[in-house]
Amino acid sequence: TQLLEQSPQFLSIQEGENLTVYCNSSSVFSSLQWYRQEPGEGPVLLVTVVTGGEVKKLKRLTFQFGDARKDSSLHITAAQPGDTGLYLCAGVGGRGSTLGRLYFGRGTQLTVWP
Amino acid sequence: DTEVTQTPKHLVMGMTNKKSLKCEQHMGHRAMYWYKQKAKKPPELMFVYSYEKLSINESVPSRFSPECPNSSLLNLHLHALQPEDSALYLCASSQFGRRHTEAFFGQGTRLTVV
Repeated sequence: TQLLEQSPQFLSIQEGENLTVYCNSSSVFSSLQWYRQEPGEGPVLLVTVVTGGEVKKLKRLTFQFGDARKDSSLHITAAQPGDTGLYLCAGVGGRGSTLGRLYFGRGTQLTVWP
Repeated sequence: DTEVTQTPKHLVMGMTNKKSLKCEQHMGHRAMYWYKQKAKKPPELMFVYSYEKLSINESVPSRFSPECPNSSLLNLHLHALQPEDSALYLCASSQFGRRHTEAFFGQGTRLTVV
């Protein structure tokens, strides 16, 4: 069972375009994290969102946590080739045996062409 | 220091070999994880150690044997692997049992079984 549905799975765009990646679930998470991974490397943490409705900005990247803490989005403005990579969302369990455990979405493979 | 160090970075082994993957962190994290990742897929959880005790084994075959000698080190012993076990093996660490924990990943070991 995939707790987190991430879309789109693949995204290929030209430099300068904007894009949004979605991460949806029927489960409530205590927080949600976004990672970026390049081929052959480990995922690198970009941001953690904790509060429902929270918006965080990291240069051209804007992250939002849904009001009900079940979904999140990542918006990239004016994408650059250096943004190319696998973007992963991960929900953090908040109770019992799921406390602190990461649940990953399937990832979005982003390719930005010059 | 938010670094998780994995060695070796690359490993090629035969199906009759015995080898070990190593992971080290000095962030004081008391939860450490092993993940397996196939190409263009999200990481799949294998094992979780909490306070040096194995807390989660995701039904991983016994040819993979984890070990946590102390709070900073995590090993994964490999024996009689199959070619389909070839993958990127990722180690991660986090604070244990916190609702808003953040996981930090190593760069991974690219394992090829021949």
